[in-house]
Amino acid sequence: EVQLVESGGGLVKPGGSLRLSCAASGFTFSSYSMNWVRQAPGKGLEWVSSISSSSSYIYYADSLKGRFTISRDNAKNSLYLQMNSLRAEDTAVYYCARESRISGGFDLWGRGTLVTVSS
Amino acid sequence: DIVMTQTPLSLSVTPGQPASISCKSSQSLLHSDGKTYFYWYLQKPGQSPQLLIYEVSSRFSGVPDRFSGSGSGTDFTLKISRAEAEDVGVYYCMQGIHLPRTFGQGTKVEIK
Repeated sequence: EVQLVESGGGLVKPGGSLRLSCAASGFTFSSYSMNWVRQAPGKGLEWVSSISSSSSYIYYADSLKGRFTISRDNAKNSLYLQMNSLRAEDTAVYYCARESRISGGFDLWGRGTLVTVSS
Repeated sequence: DIVMTQTPLSLSVTPGQPASISCKSSQSLLHSDGKTYFYWYLQKPGQSPQLLIYEVSSRFSGVPDRFSGSGSGTDFTLKISRAEAEDVGVYYCMQGIHLPRTFGQGTKVEIK
């Protein structure tokens, strides 16, 4: 089955760190650019970061200001998001999303993992 | 950053009736390669978003033909020809021509 499964979310104190993972299956993971998109409770979608298939190109939302690091391991079919210096406003469901090679849209999404930053 | 503005922000539709959502971008989404990098997503209650329409008017695999997209440049529209109960959720537009990728605020659609 073609799917993405996120993990690693949880409750963390302000200033803390968390590492999210996204396990891909059912497709050739190494051929696709991947993205992280987040959604604060009751809010809309916000693009966080993207990484090209071979990790050559990496981009972040300006609002993250160097606190987050995206990476991937094609041998393990996995995508990661290292989040440091977490703030209350980082509280959100974090989705990993595959970027279509044809259209550039996000054609496959995981179910998301909830990150709660609170003391 | 490109700002995506959706209208309306909420919509109540009678089953079998049409519905329309507008999305305007602050810059043209027409690329020099001739493609327009504009997308529509639907997030059903309790689910992750799903791609409905890519490049303005192409339906993604498995999307019913009652969904159609149109527009060009900076103005885009999603139409549901005959709304069904399963169409409830929040619809988002997104631009893919520039980073950061940006989404509209979302349009919440309820079926009466």
